[in-house]
Amino acid sequence: QLVESGGGLVQPGGSLRLSCAASGLPFTHYWMSWVRQTPGKGLEWVANIKHDGSEEYYVDSVKGRFNISRDNAKNSLYLHMNGLRVDDTAVYYCARRGLTTSGAFDLWGQGTMVTVSS
Amino acid sequence: QSALTQPPSVSGAPGQRVTIPCTGSNSNIGAGYHVQWYQHVPGTAPKLLIYVNTNRPSGVPDRFSGSKSGTSASLAISGLQAEDEADYYCQSFDRSLSEVFGGGTKLTVL
Repeated sequence: QLVESGGGLVQPGGSLRLSCAASGLPFTHYWMSWVRQTPGKGLEWVANIKHDGSEEYYVDSVKGRFNISRDNAKNSLYLHMNGLRVDDTAVYYCARRGLTTSGAFDLWGQGTMVTVSS
Repeated sequence: QSALTQPPSVSGAPGQRVTIPCTGSNSNIGAGYHVQWYQHVPGTAPKLLIYVNTNRPSGVPDRFSGSKSGTSASLAISGLQAEDEADYYCQSFDRSLSEVFGGGTKLTVL
């Protein structure tokens, strides 16, 4: 199970840290990701992190502003968001990259809403 | 503008078969990257339906099937049920080193 938290209302230019708590799964074995859904639009991949945290990848629109990290001792995934813009407003999901599904997003959380507005 | 193109909506009556196409390019699907399909009921967690083009995770009914050819893929749902009403997304990888999703297709069961 994956449970996100940390969403809320923030002004443009502000910062926010999202968390994702994993339970019932060997968290340290898996690559993890953040995916977002903007209002009225579809899903957009945001970032990936390797199982040991040694590699990170980002969509171009968040490079230099967002940072994905994890604490395997706490079975937790994070997304540090800085320089937030209005178009970052979205529901943010954490998702597991499956081992037996060739890296498909095979487990998702319920999402946490981030609203960027003045 | 999504890298993968899907129709905004499809519909079908209970018991019928519907297909949802996903059109990519030579930098993603046509480059040989796998296609996945997800079902999303708004307000809930998205669910993996198909991985590596044609494979179903355990627990997904065999009414759902995937295919891939060239730069396109498709999801077929047979024996349509009311509970299938949801948004459906295709997903792949792009040579720009980015995961890509389709824009999503809303399925309405008439």
